[in-house]
Amino acid sequence: RKEVEQDPGPFNVPEGATVAFNCTYSNSASQSFFWYRQDCRKEPKLLMSVYSSGNEDGRFTAQLNRASQYISLLIRDSKLSDSATYLCVVSRNTGGFKTIFGAGTRLFVKA
Amino acid sequence: DADVTQTPRNRITKTGKRIMLECSQTKGHDRMYWYRQDPGLGLRLIYYSFDVKDINKGEISDGYSVSRQAQAKFSLSLESAIPNQTALYFCATSERRGGYNEQFFGPGTRLTVL
Repeated sequence: RKEVEQDPGPFNVPEGATVAFNCTYSNSASQSFFWYRQDCRKEPKLLMSVYSSGNEDGRFTAQLNRASQYISLLIRDSKLSDSATYLCVVSRNTGGFKTIFGAGTRLFVKA
Repeated sequence: DADVTQTPRNRITKTGKRIMLECSQTKGHDRMYWYRQDPGLGLRLIYYSFDVKDINKGEISDGYSVSRQAQAKFSLSLESAIPNQTALYFCATSERRGGYNEQFFGPGTRLTVL
């Protein structure tokens, strides 16, 4: 079983739709959580960090559930420019440093 | 100018050749990383360095070596390239800030081993 798992998709949604991605992680010692965005053949870029209290940045909302060991990303009012792969990332520094990237969820937003 | 640069951007080589991929950063970060990305597998950590005198293996270090020549430079070597090392390689940097670990990535090097 992978330490960080994501639904690979693809998710095909119309403009204006709300779409949600989930990610589960298996190591309860994980400390930091992030969503990165990766456009085709480009480098990953940080979209947002994920905090226990949940956090929002414009149309994007991230949630962390430590008890169930999953994080989520909600995108409201999808834009064509949101089409990309979204990577769930989990990091810890106990028992040795480790950063684990999920394989990513593809999103296609269509007009 | 990009904060994290990688050279070369593309490389085709033959099995058994020695290859070096270079990474430079102007962000002033202490921590640097090398990852490879394969379709369907996500990014996997090859090596990381928390400062110039600190080098650590990641989850897939076999067949690779690294050198941290300066705070700003971190190179990855394939001593004897093999076809299953064909992948997209990314360098990344981050600040030293406890457990928090936002990473900034270079544009990637696409390596093909024939």
